[in-house]
Order: sequence, then structure tokens, then C-alpha cells
Amino acid sequence: GAVVSQHPSRVICKSGTSVKIECRSLDFQATTMFWYRQFPKQSLMLMATSNEGSKATYEQGVEKDKFLINHASLTLSTLTVTSAHPEDSSFYICSARDAGSTDTQYFGPGTRLTVL
Amino acid sequence: RKEVEQDPGPFNVPEGATVAFNCTYSNSASQSFFWYRQDCRKEPKLLMSVYSSGNEDGRFTAQLNRASQYISLLIRDSKLSDSATYLCVVSSGGTSYGKLTFGQGTILTVHP
Repeated sequence: GAVVSQHPSRVICKSGTSVKIECRSLDFQATTMFWYRQFPKQSLMLMATSNEGSKATYEQGVEKDKFLINHASLTLSTLTVTSAHPEDSSFYICSARDAGSTDTQYFGPGTRLTVL
Repeated sequence: RKEVEQDPGPFNVPEGATVAFNCTYSNSASQSFFWYRQDCRKEPKLLMSVYSSGNEDGRFTAQLNRASQYISLLIRDSKLSDSATYLCVVSSGGTSYGKLTFGQGTILTVHP
């Protein structure tokens, strides 16, 4: 099946630093990628929809200046958590929709962010 | 009201048992429906899509009732490896095409 990778898989950083997470579709082109966040014992919550070549669409309550998304190519989207704080500690997961498919999304393995 | 609501769980069942999960969704314009499973500290993995005609994949059977906005998943002959969190997922149409909305998940533990 299609593969989506995320890097890094785990990051620990100090409060106030910025963290960049990469999401790559390895064997297909993804015009749309989605970024989710999952807190412990909760379900995935969509943060934003990343569209190649255009601005991301953010869900209500998600600060676009804090969570910067760049989708510069058909295989790469990045999420940068700026000035991270302990409350940003979470499991961040991306998914990519195959441009050749109507409704199939493939999930990356997730990035576990811990902000000290 | 949450967009996608699931049985609160958790479900603890012995091996070989049959277990059923229910899910309701609020957006009548929803277009596609799925069950995902998520293992601890891992990403969700697609278990199966759900169709109005019902579909079966081995021990798993999914049903969709659009009129009632209700989705179900039946697992027969439970295995230890079925222990996971099961997520009911709904995909939007229109301008929100492709957006997935996840239920809170139901934890299943299958014990020997």
C-alpha cells in the first residue's frame, strides 16, 4: 500500500523553541495533506488542511501563526510549531490523499512532541 | 453534540466472543464512512470502508444506515490481536471534501 513518512518520530524540546515536522508521501503524489493532533486518551482532531501551492485551511480554534504549514511540493508538507509550550505536547499525525484516488487517505506514523 | 459519537466502552471480552460497536454521525451530508483501528501510540490504520449495502471482510462486518445516520462494526470470533481502539470515521463532501472526522474511539480488550 501507499506509504507516508513523518520525521522526526519523536522530539523533545525546550519551551519557546520551534519544531518542524515533515510529512512525505513516498510513492504517490498528494495534492492535499491533513494535519491532526491527538492528546492522550482522546481522538484525532483535525488541525488544518494543507494544499499544494496554496495556503493551508485551518480548523476553528487552531492558531495559524503558531502552527505554520507549508506544502511546497506534491510529496512534502511541513508543520512548524512555533514557540512551543508544554501544552503543545501531543501526538501529531499527518495524512495524505492520493491525487489519483477519490477518497483514500494514508496516515503517517506520527510525531510525538514533548515540550519541557 | 459531537459530529461523530461512539459507544463509550471500554469493551473487555474473552477470545472467541462476538462484539459490536455502534456509531452515529450528525452531518447528513457526510459522504464516506470508515472504521479505523489504532494501536497504542501508533497511527490509525484503515480497517474497512462502510457501505449502505453492508460489507464483510473475514471476521469483520460493517453496516451503514444513512436514514438513521448510524454505523456499526461487528467482530466475530475475537482474537487477542483485535485488542485496540476502534475509531468511527466520517468523511465530508462539498467544500470540506476529504476531511475526516473521528469519533472518540472505543477501546477493545480481548483476554484469554
